[in-house]
Amino acid sequence: QSALTQPASVSGSPGQSITISCTGTSSDVGAYNYVSWYQQHPGKAPKLMIYDVSNRPSGVSNRFSGSKSGSTASLTISGLQAEDEAHYYCISYTSSNTWVFGGGTKLTVL
Amino acid sequence: EVQLVESGGGLVQPGGSLRLSCAASGFTFSSHDMHWVRQAPGKGLEWVSVIRSTGDPYYPGSVKGRFTISRENAKNSLYLQMNSLRADDTAVYYCTRATRGFDYWGQGTLVTVSS
Repeated sequence: QSALTQPASVSGSPGQSITISCTGTSSDVGAYNYVSWYQQHPGKAPKLMIYDVSNRPSGVSNRFSGSKSGSTASLTISGLQAEDEAHYYCISYTSSNTWVFGGGTKLTVL
Repeated sequence: EVQLVESGGGLVQPGGSLRLSCAASGFTFSSHDMHWVRQAPGKGLEWVSVIRSTGDPYYPGSVKGRFTISRENAKNSLYLQMNSLRADDTAVYYCTRATRGFDYWGQGTLVTVSS
């Protein structure tokens, strides 16, 4: 099972919006609505930001939103803030009863 | 308060074995699927295994046949038995609870495979 494809890096200025894509196949992202997104700051454990494609856990800012079209899921962060600078990872359930992460995206807030 | 605390990491020689543990508290452990996720130094996250609440385990090809996940619901504990360890198994290993997404994570335990 190959890793989902994410851009290695994205950047934006405070207040702007950015979108991180996560491209899989018809056996994972395209087949199930079990895509979630995680934020990870250096030296910290990952934090759940979006689950089941577009749902936000309690306590996560509504500046974070998720969507999916075909085999590509997306995470959008609006109103960028300095504390959003981190690595972001997507993960999807697969038809093999396994899970696969994306390679991760480093978000830089300029 | 939900807590996940990993232990058992350390330095092991190539070809060796190690057993990781994850002590869970603050929730009904037996009702949840539990996963192991690892992160090699400076690299991204990699899914390692899941054990369903039913006890069914699943693995990716990279660890299948070498790693065994298990759980002991009476002790609220999750385990990962790792055999035939290789240098590329060096990573921080996290246990994580699956509800809607992986909603709680431990702090991780470092496994270093080196001679």
